[in-house]
Amino acid sequence: KAGVTQTPRYLIKTRGQQVTLSCSPISGHRSVSWYQQTPGQGLQFLFEYFSETQRNKGNFPGRFSGRQFSNSRSEMNVSTLELGDSALYLCASSLTGQGNYEQYFGPGTRLTVT
Amino acid sequence: AQSVTQLGSHVSVSEGALVLLRCNYSSSVPPYLFWYVQYPNQGLQLLLKYTSAATLVKGINGFEAEFKKSETSFHLTKPSAHMSDAAEYFCAVSDRGGGYNKLIFGAGTRLAVHP
Repeated sequence: KAGVTQTPRYLIKTRGQQVTLSCSPISGHRSVSWYQQTPGQGLQFLFEYFSETQRNKGNFPGRFSGRQFSNSRSEMNVSTLELGDSALYLCASSLTGQGNYEQYFGPGTRLTVT
Repeated sequence: AQSVTQLGSHVSVSEGALVLLRCNYSSSVPPYLFWYVQYPNQGLQLLLKYTSAATLVKGINGFEAEFKKSETSFHLTKPSAHMSDAAEYFCAVSDRGGGYNKLIFGAGTRLAVHP
């Protein structure tokens, strides 16, 4: 079974631009979560989608948004990019919406904002 | 609210030595706990999980962890380190209060293995 895929793997953007990242979960998984990883703040939860509905959102500004499609694929969008948005963005999928099931992570998208 | 503390941001061991990575959690409800490993330029790979079954959990690559409620700990061990174990390790708790699939991570422990 194919793992979680994320596209693109690397991205360079300029301050003020917007960016869209894509995540395809493992087949059959209905929950997709997004995390931001930076050297200073570590791994931080962005949001989670389950059956096309956002169930949880972390403590990030409204510039960060996401959505999930009927096939469970998910996108996250960051508008008006700031230098501090440079990070590794990780997507994870899980079979169900219950926390006792493991989350499988993709390789991440490395975003650099200049 | 749940939280995770990993003691030691860097741990160095000799090849063949015992690996011990420490994790303490805080949770107002019985926790679900996980250990993940991250190799350079890669995502996170699940090593093992605790979800209120056996307190001693065996994972992949020879790793295991023991859930100790009285100590609020979930330390990761491996009897004999291998060079390929060099990576960053993250302990995480599932935030059952705010939402089931929200993981709260510790700051990570970078494991170095030297010959």
